[in-house]
Amino acid sequence: AQSVSQHNHHVILSEAASLELGCNYSYGGTVNLFWYVQYPGQHLQLLLKYFSGDPLVKGIKGFEAEFIKSKFSFNLRKPSVQWSDTAEYFCAVKDSWGKFQFGAGTQVVVTP
Amino acid sequence: KAGVTQTPRYLIKTRGQQVTLSCSPISGHRSVSWYQQTPGQGLQFLFEYFSETQRNKGNFPGRFSGRQFSNSRSEMNVSTLELGDSALYLCASRGDEGYVDEQYFGPGTRLTVT
Repeated sequence: AQSVSQHNHHVILSEAASLELGCNYSYGGTVNLFWYVQYPGQHLQLLLKYFSGDPLVKGIKGFEAEFIKSKFSFNLRKPSVQWSDTAEYFCAVKDSWGKFQFGAGTQVVVTP
Repeated sequence: KAGVTQTPRYLIKTRGQQVTLSCSPISGHRSVSWYQQTPGQGLQFLFEYFSETQRNKGNFPGRFSGRQFSNSRSEMNVSTLELGDSALYLCASRGDEGYVDEQYFGPGTRLTVT
């Protein structure tokens, strides 16, 4: 069965620091990859997605992610975080049958 | 467009009871998926319905069931509730047109089982 692994459960960093969240998946077929974010008290919303083409994808709010097929990874990055980036981040994989699998999430706290 | 709506937003039930949660997808979306969200577990996929048919299913016991109506609204039912069923239940809809594959999530129903 496929699985999605997020490396860190909690990350605390200061404003202006760089952020990188790891995501690895176990599935050998064609996948679509997503990062979702859940701000405190809000719905889950899409940050970015990868379907095909350029493995470096850019999303909203200055986030980007790189798909490395050989490593089954889809890591999320932001060069300089803001206090408003405090949220829980979820990596998700959609397999060729259309089934979505989410990681356990990473709680990110940005301190002023 | 109105977003995904879920009712009720909060629910308290006791062990052994059953519960029905409702989800209205974004207008025009025919796919509705259900997830259970708990701290440390992330989102666990329950099932997906498309045009009134279950298209995908996660690894949950048969106590968890769902259905979808002709207007794409979906309901999820949990019978014989257990304490461990306490969670946030999320519904997500998507358009399923070509590569328009992102899911739009509702606010969730917070279920507490006592």
